[in-house]
Amino acid sequence: GENVEQHPSTLSVQEGDSAVIKCTYSDSASNYFPWYKQELGKRPQLIIDIRSNVGEKKDQRIAVTLNKTAKHFSLHITETQPEDSAVYFCAVLNNNNDMRFGAGTRLTVKP
Amino acid sequence: DSGVTQTPKHLITATGQRVTLRCSPRSGDLSVYWYQQSLDQGLQFLIQYYNGEERAKGNILERFSAQQFPDLHSELNLSSLELGDSALYFCASSVDAEETGNTEAFFGQGTRLTVV
Repeated sequence: GENVEQHPSTLSVQEGDSAVIKCTYSDSASNYFPWYKQELGKRPQLIIDIRSNVGEKKDQRIAVTLNKTAKHFSLHITETQPEDSAVYFCAVLNNNNDMRFGAGTRLTVKP
Repeated sequence: DSGVTQTPKHLITATGQRVTLRCSPRSGDLSVYWYQQSLDQGLQFLIQYYNGEERAKGNILERFSAQQFPDLHSELNLSSLELGDSALYFCASSVDAEETGNTEAFFGQGTRLTVV
């Protein structure tokens, strides 16, 4: 089955700095790569996603890049704010519609 | 509101007992996923159903089982409960579109299970 690895497990940045979280996957047939944000005590919610035919996607301060050859994708958050503090999960969907999540990254933005 | 409903929201039970968690997916979603999230941990994939049939199995214990009914709601059954089973159990649903890569997973608010 699909193996999704996410790094780092924790990340602390100063407000205004950038944060980068990386995920690697094993199934080359995977075709959809979403990122979820889970605030304390709440459900995970989709913040951005990218499909296999696109290399980069940006939405205001967040962006995702995908390298299909190397089988890794990254979440980039610029100009971080305290409200960006949360746990972020990457996920990978393959052709069988199986979605697997990374272990999560706890991001702390210090004011 | 994601459109995915989980009941109950909270559940406290004793070791050795059996509980059933329920999930109603978004209207039209055929896939249902179950995840376990222990305190400060990631999302552990348990099992996936698609249109009533089991599609994929993750790290699900033999004491746990699930099913998806004809109306597409799903139940996760946890038996012989242990203290370590205390966790937040999430259900997520997605539509299985013919075209690939068109399927966001929407999460329910979770059921917090406490085994005492």
